[in-house]
Amino acid sequence: AAGVIQSPRHLIKEKRETATLKCYPIPRHDTVYWYQQGPGQDPQFLISFYEKMQSDKGSIPDRFSAQQFSDYHSELNMSSLELGDSALYFCASSLEGGGDEQFFGPGTRLTVL
Amino acid sequence: AQSVTQLDSQVPVFEEAPVELRCNYSSSVSVYLFWYVQYPNQGLQLLLKYLSGSTLVKGINGFEAEFNKSQTSFHLRKPSVHISDTAEYFCAVSEDNDMRFGAGTRLTVKP
Repeated sequence: AAGVIQSPRHLIKEKRETATLKCYPIPRHDTVYWYQQGPGQDPQFLISFYEKMQSDKGSIPDRFSAQQFSDYHSELNMSSLELGDSALYFCASSLEGGGDEQFFGPGTRLTVL
Repeated sequence: AQSVTQLDSQVPVFEEAPVELRCNYSSSVSVYLFWYVQYPNQGLQLLLKYLSGSTLVKGINGFEAEFNKSQTSFHLRKPSVHISDTAEYFCAVSEDNDMRFGAGTRLTVKP
């Protein structure tokens, strides 16, 4: 079965650079979530989208923005990167009315030097 | 808002021993509960979930969990662990599609 796809899987950036992470949800899933997992930490919810509209917002810094496109894929844009942004970024998708189960992608490991 | 507490940050056990990873949650409404496993340098894999119905939930890899509403707990158990079960385990609670994770429990299985 198709799973959530994230690209790139690994990304190395320098401070103050920008980065764009992409997420392709499971076909027919209409909701996308972004999480940030720092080293040794639990995943922290950043933001979610339902039907291309922002549905919920968590601890996402103002330097980050995200959107969901007409094909339901989502992009997380990160600007003015800081060392502390180094983390594993997970995308998850779900189907509205699907019992709250979120299906997670493999993650993008971002390293900021 | 809902929250999750995983009472043990690390659980070392010997191979073939039973294990229980504890999880307590708080919420003002009905919730859905999940256990995820994360192997080193990998993503989150769903072990099992409780949405409704039977309070004893069976998952993959021989794991099971029991939903206890009165104690607001959802402890994960396995009767006999393998070396390959060494990983980080996250309990999560979802309310209206808002999912919150516990801090994680590192299970280390020793030979």
